[in-house]
Amino acid sequence: GAGVSQSPSNKVTEKGKDVELRCDPISGHTALYWYRQSLGQGLEFLIYFQGNSAPDKSGLPSDRFSAERTGGSVSTLTIQRTQQEDSAVYLCASSFEGGGLGTQYFGPGTRLTVL
Amino acid sequence: AQSVTQLDSHVSVSEGTPVLLRCNYSSSYSPSLFWYVQHPNKGLQLLLKYTSAATLVKGINGFEAEFKKSETSFHLTKPSAHMSDAAEYFCVVSEGNTGFQKLVFGTGTRLLVSP
Repeated sequence: GAGVSQSPSNKVTEKGKDVELRCDPISGHTALYWYRQSLGQGLEFLIYFQGNSAPDKSGLPSDRFSAERTGGSVSTLTIQRTQQEDSAVYLCASSFEGGGLGTQYFGPGTRLTVL
Repeated sequence: AQSVTQLDSHVSVSEGTPVLLRCNYSSSYSPSLFWYVQHPNKGLQLLLKYTSAATLVKGINGFEAEFKKSETSFHLTKPSAHMSDAAEYFCVVSEGNTGFQKLVFGTGTRLLVSP
């Protein structure tokens, strides 16, 4: 069956440009998560969606980062005025429910390189 | 806040020998613990999870982990390594009191398997 998909798989951009990263969760999964995996910081939580609302945005590193989710499905993570320290792999995960021990299924990630 | 410490950044074993990947956790209350595996250029995959129902947890591909509260440990083991086990392994704790499964990742252990 279809898993979590992310696009693009790789993105190279110049410092100062805006980028959009897309996540398609598993159909029927109400909870969606964004994580960032970087050399210096390891794997860190960014934001959680339940349906279209984001009860927890505590992991977003700055106001240059924003995310939205529409139709309880696709999510977009936007980084404005990218900086070199934004270079990382951005991972998306979804689960059937947000609470309890609903297993999070991860996508393959988007590798972002900021020159 | 919850945290996990993976005691080894790299572990090398020979094919057919036992695997031990060490993890210690810090939690102010009963934690939810997981092990995830990441193969090169692949998404994170759940190996096993501790639900407090049993202290010895069996996962996929012959892996298991034992929750030891007295030692605050959740080490991952496998009796006999296979070449396909070479990957990065993450010990993960779920932060409680957030209303959702907010995962906090360890820094990872890279498992190398030689013939």
